[in-house]
Amino acid sequence: NAGVTQTPKFQVLKTGQSMTLQCAQDMNHNSMYWYRQDPGMGLRLIYYSASEGTTDKGEVPNGYNVSRLNKREFSLRLESAAPSQTSVYFCASSARPPRQKITYSGANVLTFGAGSRLTVL
Amino acid sequence: AQSVTQPDIHITVSEGASLELRCNYSYGATPYLFWYVQSPGQGLQLLLKYFSGDTLVQGIKGFEAEFKRSQSSFNLRKPSVHWSDAAEYFCAVCSGAGSYQLTFGKGTKLSVIP
Repeated sequence: NAGVTQTPKFQVLKTGQSMTLQCAQDMNHNSMYWYRQDPGMGLRLIYYSASEGTTDKGEVPNGYNVSRLNKREFSLRLESAAPSQTSVYFCASSARPPRQKITYSGANVLTFGAGSRLTVL
Repeated sequence: AQSVTQPDIHITVSEGASLELRCNYSYGATPYLFWYVQSPGQGLQLLLKYFSGDTLVQGIKGFEAEFKRSQSSFNLRKPSVHWSDAAEYFCAVCSGAGSYQLTFGKGTKLSVIP
């Protein structure tokens, strides 16, 4: 199993350019997430999708849009990139939300992709 | 709002020494707590989690963590560190019924001296 696959792994943009980060999971998970990781800040949730057809804002949604294309795919779009969006982006998925009574122990554990490093000049 | 504090930004230990990474959380009710590990250039991998029951939980790679409600802590321990344990460790908390929002601490970077 590939798990969670993110593309591209690296990208350099100029301020004002747009781009889309792609994420796909092959574990039949219901929920998917986009996080950004900045030095000394830990991971912060940008958007999440509880299930196919739904998306919700996380802690730092400004400047981003998302699309849950189908159960497998969840994309993150930067419409007009800014230097403040220079970061490492992680996609994750889980069968169930992190906090929910679970039917099996791994259901609400997040599986992460390897990350996409984005630099905005 | 829930929050997580990892007081130590960077810890260095000798191989074979014991390890304790600290994590304090802020949440009124019983939180769901997690420890994740991130090796350089990699995504995050779950080490262990606590939801309820026995307050000492065992994880992968020989790690364990103890939930102490009175101290609002969930410290990660390992009796004997291996060089391959060098990585960044993140504590995370989730609160609220059905909550999708996992709040991460800022991480503790572990260096291991051979």
